[in-house]
Amino acid sequence: GENVEQHPSTLSVQEGDSAVIKCTYSDSASNYFPWYKQELGKGPQLIIDIRSNVGEKKDQRIAVTLNKTAKHFSLHITETQPEDSAVYFCAADPGGGGADGLTFGKGTHLIIQP
Amino acid sequence: GAVVSQHPSRVICKSGTSVKIECRSLDFQATTMFWYRQFPKQSLMLMATSNEGSKATYEQGVEKDKFLINHASLTLSTLTVTSAHPEDSSFYICSAKKDLKLFFGSGTQLSVL
Repeated sequence: GENVEQHPSTLSVQEGDSAVIKCTYSDSASNYFPWYKQELGKGPQLIIDIRSNVGEKKDQRIAVTLNKTAKHFSLHITETQPEDSAVYFCAADPGGGGADGLTFGKGTHLIIQP
Repeated sequence: GAVVSQHPSRVICKSGTSVKIECRSLDFQATTMFWYRQFPKQSLMLMATSNEGSKATYEQGVEKDKFLINHASLTLSTLTVTSAHPEDSSFYICSAKKDLKLFFGSGTQLSVL
């Protein structure tokens, strides 16, 4: 089955700086890669996603890049703010967007230092 | 996006009792919903896939008789933790797909005393 590795497990950055979280996946058939933000005691919130037919997608301060050849994708957050502090999960869809569940990375605890 | 509502957000129960958690898709119909379990500082673990009008599909190692899933309508799936024990204490989260994207409920923190 699919295996998703996520790094780093913890990331501390100064407010205003950029943060980058990286993930790799194993199943070359996966073609959908979402990112979720989870605040303490809440369910994960979809913040951005990318499909394999594009290499990059951007939404304001958040961007995701995908390298299908190398089987890795990354989340980039620019101009970080205190409210960006949370746990971020990457995921890959081994079903290619079908009715299957996602395979998640282990998460990155992002800490924004004021 | 899409709204997935989950209730209750927190429940405390005595060992041996059963607890029901509801998951509703508020602005769309979901023939399939997913139930996850999450331990502190860990990732989400898929427990089962709930299918409207048919039996749920459980992941390996998940006891189907302990975690009863019912998906009686296109907008409601329920997870019942039967004869709960302290080791069942965890954060349970449901999700549903809309337009090929997975949206999560707010989660239920279960504490079994």
